[in-house]
Amino acid sequence: AQKVTQAQTEISVVEKEDVTLDCVYETRDTTYYLFWYKQPPSGELVFLIRRNSFDEQNEISGRYSWNFQKSTSSFNFTITASQVVDSAVYFCALSEAIKISNFGNEKLTFGTGTRLTIIP
Amino acid sequence: DAGVIQSPRHEVTEMGQEVTLRCKPISGHDYLFWYRQTMMRGLELLIYFNNNVPIDDSGMPEDRFSAKMPNASFSTLKIQPSEPRDSAVYFCASSPGLFFGYFGAGTRLSVL
Repeated sequence: AQKVTQAQTEISVVEKEDVTLDCVYETRDTTYYLFWYKQPPSGELVFLIRRNSFDEQNEISGRYSWNFQKSTSSFNFTITASQVVDSAVYFCALSEAIKISNFGNEKLTFGTGTRLTIIP
Repeated sequence: DAGVIQSPRHEVTEMGQEVTLRCKPISGHDYLFWYRQTMMRGLELLIYFNNNVPIDDSGMPEDRFSAKMPNASFSTLKIQPSEPRDSAVYFCASSPGLFFGYFGAGTRLSVL
């Protein structure tokens, strides 16, 4: 069974500090995808990143960076120089690759989320 | 593109009433998903469609819940009769095949 653990329920940091959100996953699939979503106070889910299990290169997008390590089944998310607008709940998710005929699909298993508060 | 559009954004109803949530996926996306978010259970997949056909409804909590996708641009999630424990945020998402990432803004349902 797929499982995603976000052990940090809530984190608070002062603006401009760096912060890392942890994500640990479990899966028996050899092919899978990992995601991060942001849910701001307004409630919508905003897609941040998708990585496949064969690509362990770290990725950087502006102040955001992601560290994917298969050896520890982790996909951690770091925000550098945090800003108040980063305050949100962040969800890590894992896909289950289902093969149907000749194409695949993904069902997402979400972690319980980490509520990040940036203090001005 | 306008993204995944859900309506209504908020719904307040009384126990026993029928509730219909609506979703318009992104044009060209072959997959449509309905998720429910609660404090207790987090985000749960209820059902998903591929090319308008329901593929997996194992997440639908009980027979009071039903979902349809009559065409590629519209889906509904119906609860009848509604109960207070159905109160949650319901998200619709669409996917262009193997890529998954597009959620609607959600419908916040309150059943009194």
